[in-house]
Amino acid sequence: DTEVTQTPKHLVMGMTNKKSLKCEQHMGHRAMYWYKQKAKKPPELMFVYSYEKLSINESVPSRFSPECPNSSLLNLHLHALQPEDSALYLCASSHPSPGTGGYTFGSGTRLTVV
Amino acid sequence: AQSVTQLDSQVPVFEEAPVELRCNYSSSVSVYLFWYVQYPNQGLQLLLKYLSGSTLVESINGFEAEFNKSQTSFHLRKPSVHISDTAEYFCAVSAPSGGYQKVTFGIGTKLQVIP
Repeated sequence: DTEVTQTPKHLVMGMTNKKSLKCEQHMGHRAMYWYKQKAKKPPELMFVYSYEKLSINESVPSRFSPECPNSSLLNLHLHALQPEDSALYLCASSHPSPGTGGYTFGSGTRLTVV
Repeated sequence: AQSVTQLDSQVPVFEEAPVELRCNYSSSVSVYLFWYVQYPNQGLQLLLKYLSGSTLVESINGFEAEFNKSQTSFHLRKPSVHISDTAEYFCAVSAPSGGYQKVTFGIGTKLQVIP
């Protein structure tokens, strides 16, 4: 299995809703990442998990809450989002060292906050 | 510290013509370089990578990139583009960072293939 699977592919939520994005990989990668991508921009790093522990939080607002239940799964819990949070949310995974290759990205969740 | 500069935000090219997308990098540690491609409404896909060894790397769909250490470049080329190559291309440099990869992306180059 050489894929990263993200669900759902599309999500529309109101500003008072609670929802979760899910990401799964079975490549044995021990590093997993959440990125946010706005139109015509490169991905922006949000969170990094290494060996199931949170390693990096790039000053992301607390309305985004990551979770890594095990080495294959990564969740992003969303609560009280703002319209400006509308974006493509990408999950990626990798081996710890780039000498073994780069990221594998999921196809993303297109999030619209109304 | 590391950085990536993609010199062209948009490159229009006619179908079957050659193309070069430019990428320059800086890194204070070992260099691992990547090109990712993003088709509309999709995630990023790894196109090719330079990890070590031969400075010329190739992808399965005809793209190639050459690592040039003296010019700190990793330009992407294809001798003849197809309509299906229309996409956003991101150059990236990666470094190990305590159990994960620290990746810096360029701003992206939109390749627009004109019929």
